[in-house]
Amino acid sequence: EIVMTQSPATLSVSPGERATLSCRASQSVSSNLAWYQQKPGQAPSLLIYGASIRATGNPVRFSGSGSGTEFTLTISSLQSEDFAVYYCQQYNNWPRTFGQGTKVEIK
Amino acid sequence: EVQLVESGGGLVQPGGSLRLSCAASGFIFWNYWMHWVRQAPGKGLVWVSRVDSDGSSAHYADSVEGRFTISRDNAKNTLYLQMNSLRAEDTAVYYCVRDGAAGTFEYWGQGTLATVSS
Repeated sequence: EIVMTQSPATLSVSPGERATLSCRASQSVSSNLAWYQQKPGQAPSLLIYGASIRATGNPVRFSGSGSGTEFTLTISSLQSEDFAVYYCQQYNNWPRTFGQGTKVEIK
Repeated sequence: EVQLVESGGGLVQPGGSLRLSCAASGFIFWNYWMHWVRQAPGKGLVWVSRVDSDGSSAHYADSVEGRFTISRDNAKNTLYLQMNSLRAEDTAVYYCVRDGAAGTFEYWGQGTLATVSS
């Protein structure tokens, strides 16, 4: 099973600032990496797939990069609606596995 | 608009059973693999099971293998998860998820809570 490790666990950011979230895979997942956003009390929603492709309807301030084992999600200028938990997930191998999440909170 | 609506959650004693359902609409149901993903209270996301588009093949997480059975009725646009021999650690919100074209979890239902407790 591929283990996904996210850092940091919590990120405190002021509105308008840039946020950088990291995700590492225990073995290569090529570019088969997705990011999800989960707001309190809601289901997760797909943000990024293919490591860097924004899913339909997501703002351009969200961007993803990386391949192999190291990945990054960047939120260029945090808006109030972006404070949430973000999960990375690999879909290169079964079982599909998620990172433990990074909570982005208001500083 | 894609809609996935789960039902069937509730409180059950350890060793008991529950059957979750997911009613799908807004897309051609039989064209897509479907999944169940769960989230224990205050915890992260864990993939549980998937079924292919015609129901002929299924795959399970090790933690539920032999206890859970995923199935689908394409005539009713409905996905199921039969959960037997339930344990306290199965307590979670269970999400019905549609596979994406790239193999991601593209659409999620709102979830149904299954609580295993005496």
